[in-house]
Amino acid sequence: AIRMTQSPSSFSASTGDRVTITCRASQGISSYLAWYQQKPGKAPKLLIYAASTLQSGVPSRFSGSGSGTDFTLTISCLQSEDFATYYCQQYYSYPITFGQGTRLEIK
Amino acid sequence: QVQLQESGPGLVKPSQTLSLTCTVSGGSISSGGYYWSWIRQHPGKGLEWIGYIYYSGSTYYNPSLKSRVTISVDTSKNQFSLKLSSVTAADTAVYYCAREAKATNYFDYWGQGTLVTVSS
Repeated sequence: AIRMTQSPSSFSASTGDRVTITCRASQGISSYLAWYQQKPGKAPKLLIYAASTLQSGVPSRFSGSGSGTDFTLTISCLQSEDFATYYCQQYYSYPITFGQGTRLEIK
Repeated sequence: QVQLQESGPGLVKPSQTLSLTCTVSGGSISSGGYYWSWIRQHPGKGLEWIGYIYYSGSTYYNPSLKSRVTISVDTSKNQFSLKLSSVTAADTAVYYCAREAKATNYFDYWGQGTLVTVSS
């Protein structure tokens, strides 16, 4: 199975900050990567697929980049509603696997 | 708007079989084009994909759980189901059902999740 590793596991930031979360795959996955946001007690919400394509309805302050093994999720100007846990997911091959999550907290 | 809703017992005894059903509304499982998946999340932990079923009945399971998992579909009720046998406390988790586009394999619609606790 392809292992997905996110960094950092958690960090604190302030509203208005620009933040970047990294996801690394244990082998090349082309651009078969999605990002999700999860808030406490809720299901994950799809933000980005194909590494950089914004899901319909997701604010443009979210962006993704990367291909191969290294990927990033960037939030350009943090809003209060963005404090959540973020997961990457590879869909290059089965079994589908997720990163361990990055918890974004308010500083 | 597609909606998914999990249902089933919230408490299962060790060694028994966990059974959950996902009811899909706002779209037909039989329309094709999508895999219908189960994903779980251990308390405070990350996400683990369990497996999927296609409306035709074809399935694919995570090798880590394959020996204990059965996913089935009832197109007449627009439902699909998960059975996980011989459960232990390690199977305590929130279980989600989700829709996975056949051509793209990411999850665009999720159920709200249901907590299943394995305990005597």
